[in-house]
This record gives sequence, C-alpha cells and structure tokens, in this order.
Amino acid sequence: AQKITQTQPGMFVQEKEAVTLDCTYDTSDPSYGLFWYKQPSSGEMIFLIYQGSYDQQNATEGRYSLNFQKARKSANLVISASQLGDSAMYFCAMREIDRGSTLGRLYFGRGTQLTVWP
Amino acid sequence: KAGVTQTPRYLIKTRGQQVTLSCSPISGHRSVSWYQQTPGQGLQFLFEYFSETQRNKGNFPGRFSGRQFSNSRSEMNVSTLELGDSALYLCASSLGLDGSYEQYFGPGTRLTVT
Repeated sequence: AQKITQTQPGMFVQEKEAVTLDCTYDTSDPSYGLFWYKQPSSGEMIFLIYQGSYDQQNATEGRYSLNFQKARKSANLVISASQLGDSAMYFCAMREIDRGSTLGRLYFGRGTQLTVWP
Repeated sequence: KAGVTQTPRYLIKTRGQQVTLSCSPISGHRSVSWYQQTPGQGLQFLFEYFSETQRNKGNFPGRFSGRQFSNSRSEMNVSTLELGDSALYLCASSLGLDGSYEQYFGPGTRLTVT
C-alpha cells in the first residue's frame, strides 16, 4: 500500500493567492514525522516544514503551514501569498520513528507540480 | 554552515561500467541516506548509513552498494550499469536516525547511462 498519497499531479494558483496541496499518509506506527519538500527544476530538494505525530499544534514556517488532521491521516501544505518563485514540484514525505526495520527511511509521495501565474 | 554537497553533479556512463557517487553531509550530521529519483518510479530509498554502518536498505539489487567513512562522508557505487539506472541520485543528511530529525538534501548527481 502507498504510504504517502498526493492526489493532485498539478495545481495552478495566481500570484498572492493561497494554495493548499493535499497529502494523506498511511502508517500504523504511533510515532512518525511528516515533511514537505520543494524541488525546483534544478533538482535540489529543499526542506520546507516538519510536523511530528505528537505535536498538538500545526507547524508553521513563514508562508508555509501544515494542516495536520491526525484522525484523517492528512497533512496538507498551505502556502499563503504565493510568489512566482514558488513554482516547483512539492513532495510530502513521512518517516516512521518507532518501526525499527524502516528506521530513518523517508517515504515520498509522487509530488504535486505547482505553477504560480502572474 | 555549508549544506550537503554531492559530486559529481553530472555523469555520463555506458552500460556495463561502474560509477561511484560521493556525498558530504552537513557538518555534525551523522546519518546519510541515498535516494534514486526517476520520472517513472518517483523517489525511492536506497540505503541509510549511520556511524559507518548501513542501518536500512531499500529494494534495490546488489549492484547498488554504499559505505560511510569515519568523517560521515558517504559514497554510493553502482556496478554493471544498466540503462534503467539513469536517474537523479539524491543524498540527504540528518543529525540522527530519529524520525523527528529533518533530512537535508544535496543538489543531486544526475547519472545518464547510454
């Protein structure tokens, strides 16, 4: 089964608008971390934001916030006030903390290509 | 603080050859992971090293191997290259194995096998 599902292959948003990128995950491990990465066309994966499974509040980092709904196993990324430079591929990822056999491994979704237009 | 560095950035090899990719983690980071990214398969985990020991391995054939040195630098080797090995190879470092640690990625090595 897919550990991470990103159902939006592509998203379009106008500059200065907010956009939500969807991510659902699947794990039976009670302890896990959720991550979002941005990958521009250059290829480098840029870490954006982290949410721990036991964190009570949604993570925020500048214009990025993570809408964490644990019961629904959902970890959507919200980008406020989009900028042209936000155009990139965005990946949701999960890392299980307690499952020893897969410790350290990041599971990635297939990504969402975000295009910001003027 | 310098980020994760990977060398070389681009590589062209022919089938049957072998290749070695290098990764230098962020200073102080002891965990290094390797991922393969292709358009068809997406991002796939290769292996992770911590304190010079392989801690975790993905579902790749034995042609893919790696190692980590005492300074945490890591190398990945692919022997008997196949066309399907053409991919972006990404290295990531983190402070430790705990899943709460962020993984920071390098710029990647783009390998083309002809």
